[in-house]
Amino acid sequence: GQQVMQIPQYQHVQEGEDFTTYCNSSTTLSNIQWYKQRPGGHPVFLIQLVKSGEVKKQKRLTFQFGEAKKNSSLHITATQTTDVGTYFCAGPWWSNFGNEKLTFGTGTRLTIIP
Amino acid sequence: NAGVTQTPKFQVLKTGQSMTLQCAQDMNHEYMSWYRQDPGMGLRLIHYSVGAGITDQGEVPNGYNVSRSTTEDFPLRLLSAAPSQTSVYFCASSSYRRSTGELFFGEGSRLTVL
Repeated sequence: GQQVMQIPQYQHVQEGEDFTTYCNSSTTLSNIQWYKQRPGGHPVFLIQLVKSGEVKKQKRLTFQFGEAKKNSSLHITATQTTDVGTYFCAGPWWSNFGNEKLTFGTGTRLTIIP
Repeated sequence: NAGVTQTPKFQVLKTGQSMTLQCAQDMNHEYMSWYRQDPGMGLRLIHYSVGAGITDQGEVPNGYNVSRSTTEDFPLRLLSAAPSQTSVYFCASSSYRRSTGELFFGEGSRLTVL
């Protein structure tokens, strides 16, 4: 089956520094999704990227989808304490029955040093 | 707006006991799924369903059963609990059937098997 790898596993940054997490798939993806999970909480959808080379921004967050549609990145500019949490990428793959399932990366846990 | 509701939130079982984790959604979503989350392993798909009466296996289905008799409910059954099933379980739903769009997660059920 498809594998989605994410690096780094952990990232500690000073408040105000930038943060980037990278996601790599073993196969070409039709789209990629990003989720954020606050400590003790549940994953919450952030965004979906569909097009090759696509770049989308949400305030201080910038999401990119690679040209080959096998990798993606999330960049946060000037981190704040509210950015603390684990960031997951997720990519779809097809079952033998023709249904789409979502495979999650291992996540990057971001902690902020005030 | 209840969204996705999971019960119970916490459960302690002894090895060999059985139990059912309940999941209900009120958004009329066709797609429902169960994930387990373990430290350093991300979210791993257990089973999913693309509509009432249709279920399929995910990455880690062994030891778990599911059924989907209604659009709203998607219970996860542990027939004979094992310590390896100690985990946090998340139910998630999506309005898509053939393609997983944004997943809406429940708050999670923390299961400990002694």
